[in-house]
Amino acid sequence: AQSVTQLDSQVPVFEEAPVELRCNYSSSVSVYLFWYVQYPNQGLQLLLKYLSGSTLVKGINGFEAEFNKSQTSFHLRKPSVHISDTAEYFCAVSAPRGGADGLTFGKGTHLIIQP
Amino acid sequence: NAGVTQTPKFRILKIGQSMTLQCAQDMNHNYMYWYRQDPGMGLKLIYYSVGAGITDKGEVPNGYNVSRSTTEDFPLRLELAAPSQTSVYFCASSQNRGSGELFFGEGSRLTVL
Repeated sequence: AQSVTQLDSQVPVFEEAPVELRCNYSSSVSVYLFWYVQYPNQGLQLLLKYLSGSTLVKGINGFEAEFNKSQTSFHLRKPSVHISDTAEYFCAVSAPRGGADGLTFGKGTHLIIQP
Repeated sequence: NAGVTQTPKFRILKIGQSMTLQCAQDMNHNYMYWYRQDPGMGLKLIYYSVGAGITDKGEVPNGYNVSRSTTEDFPLRLELAAPSQTSVYFCASSQNRGSGELFFGEGSRLTVL
C-alpha cells in the first residue's frame, strides 16, 4: 500500500514570489506520482505527473516538480506565483503494477496568494 | 466536450432518506471512481469499477452502493443517509490502469440533516 504526506496544510505567499509545496510518499514498490489542482468549487485537474525518465517534470501554468527517489519526495515548485494560483493542491501516488483502484491522495495544501 | 458529468450539484437530505448521485462520462473510459472529500482530509475512495458489470470497494464503502451497467454510467447510491455522509462527492474516470490521469467531475455537495 502507498501513502502520501503533504507537510503543509496551508502556504501563504506574496504574489510574484516563488513557492514550494512539499510532498513525501511511502511505498514498498515503485510508483507513479502526480500533482492535482482544485480551484474553488471545481473538480480536480492534473497539473503534472511523473511516470519514468527525467526526474524534473514540467506541468501546466508554469509549475514543475522534481522526483527524488532517495528522499521519497515529489515537491511542487513555481518561480513566481500569480493571484490566480490560489487553489488547493493535492499530491497523489499510484502503483504501476498495482490494482485498478485509482490514486492515493494526500490531504492537500491550500496555496494562498497575498497581493 | 462534456467529460465527466455529475448530478445533482447540491442536495440536502434528511437522516434516513435515500438518493442516487449520477455520474456519466463520454470518453469511453473503462475505469471509474467515486471519491468523497472532507475538509482537511483529502479524497477517500468509496468504490471503483474496471468496466461494465464489475465494481469493487475502496477505502470507505460503508453506507454506499454502486452499479455499472454501461461503460458510460456509474451511479452512487446512499440507502439510509446519515450526518457522517455530509461531504463533497467526486466521480472520476481514467483510460489507463495505474497511469493516474483521472478526469474529475465538478462534484456533488451533499448535506444530511
